[in-house]
Amino acid sequence: GQQLNQSPQSMFIQEGEDVSMNCTSSSIFNTWLWYKQDPGEGPVLLIALYKAGELTSNGRLTAQFGITRKDSFLNISASIPSDVGIYFCAGFDTGRRALTFGSGTRLQVQP
Amino acid sequence: NAGVTQTPKFRVLKTGQSMTLLCAQDMNHEYMYWYRQDPGMGLRLIHYSVGEGTTAKGEVPDGYNVSRLKKQNFLLGLESAAPSQTSVYFCASSYTGDYGYTFGSGTRLTVV
Repeated sequence: GQQLNQSPQSMFIQEGEDVSMNCTSSSIFNTWLWYKQDPGEGPVLLIALYKAGELTSNGRLTAQFGITRKDSFLNISASIPSDVGIYFCAGFDTGRRALTFGSGTRLQVQP
Repeated sequence: NAGVTQTPKFRVLKTGQSMTLLCAQDMNHEYMYWYRQDPGMGLRLIHYSVGEGTTAKGEVPDGYNVSRLKKQNFLLGLESAAPSQTSVYFCASSYTGDYGYTFGSGTRLTVV
């Protein structure tokens, strides 16, 4: 089946630093999404991308949908302690009409 | 503003026991999904439903069954639990099925 390779697996940064993570796929997706999961909770949608090449921002978050439709990245600027969590990329599988998730990037922020 | 509610939140089962996980949504969503989350593997789709009375297999369906008798409820059953089914289970729903879901807060299941 389709697989999403997400990197890095984990990051430990200082408060105020910028963070970048990315996701690549062997298959084309027409929609890419980024989710954040806090401990003990379900994932929450951060950003959705619908067009190849699209660059979208949500506050300190910026995400891009790769031109090839096989990759996406997420940037977080000026990180703060509440950014701690697991970040997942997801691609929408039009066949199943379901999301395929990456393995996640665990982010820790040192105050 | 309940959204997606999963019950129970925690459960410990012995190998071979059966149980049903309940997912309920109050947003009139057509699409509902069951995922399992294991360390380092992200979320993997078990089964899903595109409407009342319909179910379909996802990526890892073996050992699980589902039913969607009412639009608002999606049940996940384990007939004979195995230690490999120790995981955190998430239910999600979506109105159109083509963008971000609403997730429940998860059920942590341990099979001993």
